[in-house]
Amino acid sequence: NAGVTQTPKFRVLKTGQSMTLLCAQDMNHEYMYWYRQDPGMGLRLIHYSVGEGTTAKGEVPDGYNVSRLKKQNFLLGLESAAPSQTSVYFCASSPPDLGEQFFGPGTRLTVL
Amino acid sequence: KNEVEQSPQNLTAQEGEFITINCSYSVGISALHWLQQHPGGGIVSLFMLSSGKKKHGRLIATINIQEKHSSLHITASHPRDSAVYICAVKGSNYKLTFGKGTLLTVNP
Repeated sequence: NAGVTQTPKFRVLKTGQSMTLLCAQDMNHEYMYWYRQDPGMGLRLIHYSVGEGTTAKGEVPDGYNVSRLKKQNFLLGLESAAPSQTSVYFCASSPPDLGEQFFGPGTRLTVL
Repeated sequence: KNEVEQSPQNLTAQEGEFITINCSYSVGISALHWLQQHPGGGIVSLFMLSSGKKKHGRLIATINIQEKHSSLHITASHPRDSAVYICAVKGSNYKLTFGKGTLLTVNP
């Protein structure tokens, strides 16, 4: 099993460009999450999903959109990238009980 | 004020030393997680616990629900233990709240 995978691993964008980050999991988990990690701050939740076709806002949702059309995939979109969105983005998935979250390897995004 | 506080922020140790990292939280929780992140690397779950104590190899995690406090101990530390250790708590919903992490450096 691959676990949780993220595409791409690195990306550089110019201000105003758009892009989509893809997260895929093969563990049949119901719940999926997108986080961002910035220096000196803990991981912060951007959006999450508790099942196929559902999404909800986390702590820092502004400037991002998400979709969960298939259970195994969770997409994070930036419609008009800003330098403040320079960060490392982690996707995670978990079963619907108190189970642990499994993290992807991260995507390092730089917005110039 | 962050709901999850870790101490210390940075910790340097010599190989073989016993290490303790602390985590305090201010809200009621259903579970507490300890995670490990190596430099430039991904995040790995070490423990999930809701009471008592868990042990895995040289790592031990304890939690005191009444005092809202958890500790992560590393016995016989090794340079490969150098990483950021993150405490995260889960409340009544699906979401985790994370501490800022403790950077551990173990020198040979």
